[in-house]
Amino acid sequence: DAGVTQSPTHLIKTRGQQVTLRCSPKSGHDTVSWYQQALGQGPQFIFQYYEEEERQRGNFPDRFSGHQFPNYSSELNVNALLLGDSALYLCASMTSGEDTQYFGPGTRLTVL
Amino acid sequence: KQEVTQIPAALSVPEGENLVLNCSFTDSAIYNLQWFRQDPGKGLTSLLLIQSSQREQTSGRLNASLDKSSGRSTLYIAASQPGDSATYLCAPLGWYSSASKIIFGSGTRLSIRP
Repeated sequence: DAGVTQSPTHLIKTRGQQVTLRCSPKSGHDTVSWYQQALGQGPQFIFQYYEEEERQRGNFPDRFSGHQFPNYSSELNVNALLLGDSALYLCASMTSGEDTQYFGPGTRLTVL
Repeated sequence: KQEVTQIPAALSVPEGENLVLNCSFTDSAIYNLQWFRQDPGKGLTSLLLIQSSQREQTSGRLNASLDKSSGRSTLYIAASQPGDSATYLCAPLGWYSSASKIIFGSGTRLSIRP
C-alpha cells in the first residue's frame, strides 16, 4: 500500500512564474491538506480539501489555490511566485471523520 | 486559536544522555498529538501519536506523555545517539471550523555529540 506521494520532489522557478504541485493520498483517504514549511519554521496550514471542495483555509493569499479530483488526488497552485514562497510544501491525507493525518515526503520549491 | 510552543529551540548534548523535549499548547480541545522527526531538508517522520484519552506512548527509546488539561506534552529520549540528531516537531490535531488540522510548533533542533 503506497503512502502519500508528492511530485515533483524538487522544483526551481523564477519570480512571477506559476507552479503546480501534486499529491496522491494514501489509499482509502478522502481528505487532503497542504502545508508550507519555510526554512527553520514549523509547517503552516494552507488549506484542506474534501469532496473536491476547499473546506478550510489558513492565512495565505489568493495566489495559493488548490483543487481536488474525483480520485481524491490534489493539486496546489501558486501564482505570481515571490522569493518568500520558497519552502517545503507538504501534503497530508486522512479519512474524514478519523483523526490521523499521514504526510508525504514534500516538494522543495525554490524561487529565484 | 491554537498556539504551540516548543522549548528549548535548540539542544546539544553528549551521546548517551537522557533528554526531555517540551511542548505546550493553548487549546486543550485536541483529538491527538503527534511527535515528528525531521532531518535537514527532508520530510516528516511520525514518531509517536498519543490519542487525547491517553497519557503516554512508547516506542523503543522514545516515550511521549500528554497532559491535555494543562496543555503540555513531553518527548523523552533515552540513551541518546548521534543518529537522533534532527529537529523534533510537536503537532496537536484539533477541529477548527469544520476541518481538522494540525498546528505545528517551531521545533527543537537536537544535536547529539559523539
